[in-house]
Amino acid sequence: RKEVEQDPGPFNVPEGATVAFNCTYSNSASQSFFWYRQDCRKEPKLLMSVYSSGNEDGRFTAQLNKASQYVSLLIRDSQPSDSATYLCAVKSTGNQFYFGTGTSLTVIP
Amino acid sequence: NAGVMQNPRHLVRRRGQEARLRCSPMKGHSHVYWYRQLPEEGLKFMVYLQKENIIDESGMPKERFSAEFPKEGPSILRIQQVVRGDSAAYFCASSTGQGLVSYNEQFFGPGTRLTVL
Repeated sequence: RKEVEQDPGPFNVPEGATVAFNCTYSNSASQSFFWYRQDCRKEPKLLMSVYSSGNEDGRFTAQLNKASQYVSLLIRDSQPSDSATYLCAVKSTGNQFYFGTGTSLTVIP
Repeated sequence: NAGVMQNPRHLVRRRGQEARLRCSPMKGHSHVYWYRQLPEEGLKFMVYLQKENIIDESGMPKERFSAEFPKEGPSILRIQQVVRGDSAAYFCASSTGQGLVSYNEQFFGPGTRLTVL
């Protein structure tokens, strides 16, 4: 079983839609959780860390459910500029990070 | 700008040659990670290093690939006798590695795109 799994999509949504991505992880001892954004042929960029209490940054909200071992990202009022691949990352014990294969999002104007 | 630096950005090699990829972590970061990304695929962990130590190389192919992070200078990912299947984007990331206090986010460099002819 993979350490981190994501639905690859693609998600094609109209501008203004709300879209949600889920990510599941296999190691219950995982400590830290992150969402990254990757644009085509560029490096991943940290979008937000995911705290146990959940966190919000503008139109983006991240939630963590440790009991069910999943992490979610919600994007409200999606914009064409949000089109990218969203990567879920999980830090296990010992400082190794595991990345999902990413979920592709296209926001259509 | 104290971001993660990688060079070269693009590298072309013929089969059988050696490729050397360099990564300078962000200022204050002592942990370096190397990842490989094939077209249309996710990031695959290769190796995790601290200064002068390889902590985890479980993702590194057993032959032809090696990595180091010397006391002075950048981290180096070395691929000997490259083959066409080595063509990929190689990303380096760094983190502070501070225990439980810091959240330990990883920050990525721009990557090196290796093309093997």
